[in-house]
Formats: sequence, structure tokens, C-alpha cells
Amino acid sequence: EIVLTQSPGTLSLSPGKSATLSCRASQSVGTTYLAWYQQKPGQAPRLLIYGASIRAAATPDRFTGGGSGTDFTLTISRLEPEDFAVYYCQHYDNSPRMYTFGQGTKLEI
Amino acid sequence: QVQLQESGPRLVKPSETLSLTCTVSGGSISSYYCSWIRQSPGKAPEWIGYIFYSGIPYYNPSLKSRLTISVDTSKNQFSLKLNSVTTADAAVYYCTVTSGAAAIDHWGRGALVAVSS
Repeated sequence: EIVLTQSPGTLSLSPGKSATLSCRASQSVGTTYLAWYQQKPGQAPRLLIYGASIRAAATPDRFTGGGSGTDFTLTISRLEPEDFAVYYCQHYDNSPRMYTFGQGTKLEI
Repeated sequence: QVQLQESGPRLVKPSETLSLTCTVSGGSISSYYCSWIRQSPGKAPEWIGYIFYSGIPYYNPSLKSRLTISVDTSKNQFSLKLNSVTTADAAVYYCTVTSGAAAIDHWGRGALVAVSS
């Protein structure tokens, strides 16, 4: 089973700055199966990025996903107040079929 | 616009069965991978299992022995049954659907289920 480790656990930044969130997989994974979500308090997670770098519908272009192999990043440029939330990376495995989530990075002001 | 709504009891007694149903609107369930995901307070989401319209389910190995996920295409619904619950099963349960298996693009609002006698 692939384990996803996100860092840092908490990231404190100011609006207007840039944030880089990391997701490391315990073994190499295909970029097709790596996604990022944003979750705000009291809400369901929202898909931001899939295929490691493809923005989902309604994802602003301030959000950029990248990486390959075991190391993936989510970069948020020009932080807006609404960007402060918890971010999760997620991997889908075809064999055995299952989804795995990282433990999350909290982006706070 | 696809919308999902979880329904079912929000309070379950220990050792009993947690049962939830997800009603999908705005899209045919036959087009989707239908998953249940849960999240305990302050924790990361945990995938429970999914089913495709063909009816073949895939379960999280850690829950497999207690779990049944089924689909009713005539009602555009899918369901979750988790047996022998304990307080560790208390969480927000989300139903989700996705057209491509790799990422989950539609989520319900979530159902907060407590486990208590």
C-alpha cells in the first residue's frame, strides 16, 4: 500500500505570498493517479488538480501542480484570503484498487 | 450539474449496522465510479470503497470484512452498510462519484454519523 506524506503540516503565510506544498509517495507512482484537494471547515474536499498537473474545472490558474515519481508539489501563487484551508494529496492505485490520502497541510494566515 | 445527497440514520449503537444511501441527481449513476469516503474530525479522508454500475465493489482492505456497498441503477442510488460499528467508526461519511477513477470530482455534503449507546 502506498503511503503519502505531506509537508509541512502547517504553513503560515500572508496574502499575496506564494505557497509550496509537498506530497511524497512511499514508492514511485504514475502522474495520472495523483490529485490535490482543498478543504475548508464544514465543507467536503474539492478537487483542485488531477493527473498531477491538470487543473479541475473552476480551479484558478494560481494553483499549479507538478512533480513525478515520488515527489509532487502544489504551488499557490499570489495567495488570496479564500486559499487558506487544508490541502490533501491523493493517489489512486489500480492494483489493488484503492484511494489513499495524505495527512494534509494546513495553510493558515 | 451532478448533485449527491446522503441519507440514513445519524446515530448508530455500538455493534449495530451503519446504513447510508446516496441519491445522485443531474447525471446517470451508470456513468460513474461511486465511492464512500469518511473523515473523522481533524483527520484526513479515508476511502471506504467504491462500486461501478456493473455492481462489482472494491473495498478498503481494512474495512472489507464489515462492509457492503451496493448500487440501484433504477433509483440512481448507491448504498453503504458497515457492520459491527464501534466508536472508531464515528465520522462524516461522504458519498462521491467520478467519471474517471483516478480523482474524485463530485462530493456530497456529508453525513455526520455518531456511534453511541
